[in-house]
Amino acid sequence: KAGVTQTPRYLIKTRGQQVTLSCSPISGHRSVSWYQQTPGQGLQFLFEYFSETQRNKGNFPGRFSGRQFSNSRSEMNVSTLELGDSALYLCASTPTGSAYEQYFGPGTRLTVT
Amino acid sequence: DQQVKQNSPSLSVQEGRISILNCDYTNSMFDYFLWYKKYPAEGPTFLISISSIKDKNEDGRFTVFLNKSAKHLSLHIVPSQPGDSAVYFCAAYFQGAQKLVFGQGTRLTINP
Repeated sequence: KAGVTQTPRYLIKTRGQQVTLSCSPISGHRSVSWYQQTPGQGLQFLFEYFSETQRNKGNFPGRFSGRQFSNSRSEMNVSTLELGDSALYLCASTPTGSAYEQYFGPGTRLTVT
Repeated sequence: DQQVKQNSPSLSVQEGRISILNCDYTNSMFDYFLWYKKYPAEGPTFLISISSIKDKNEDGRFTVFLNKSAKHLSLHIVPSQPGDSAVYFCAAYFQGAQKLVFGQGTRLTINP
């Protein structure tokens, strides 16, 4: 089975722009979670989608949004980028029936200049 | 509000010796605790977990210990190997919130 894939792997954007990141979960996984990783902060939970509905949300401003499609693929959008948004954005998918197993993609490294 | 804390940003251990990574948490409602390992340019991969009703779980060279009264868990790697060099994240899961909470990570370096 193919693992979780994320595109693009690297991205450079300018402050004020917006960005969309994509995640394809493992086939059959219906839950997709997004995390932001920055040095010293670990993985900060952004949101989780299950069957096209946002099921859970972390403490991030409204500039961060996401959605999930009927094929379980998910996108994350950040509007009005700030320098502090520079981070590794990780997507993880969870098999149905599992409470906490998460399989991570390689991440998208976003740099905001 | 950091509910899961890894207070050591880095740890250096000699090959063949024991590596002990520590993690503290504040929420007594967590149901499961997990350790993930992350290599550069890759996503974290699941290593080992423990239920809150257990105090020890072992899987090969990896053992996780849970001390609920101290709200502390640790990961022991014996013997340590060069391939164990990575960043290790501690995580906790609360069934009621249905989300994982991660610590800041500890970078483990195994020296030959």
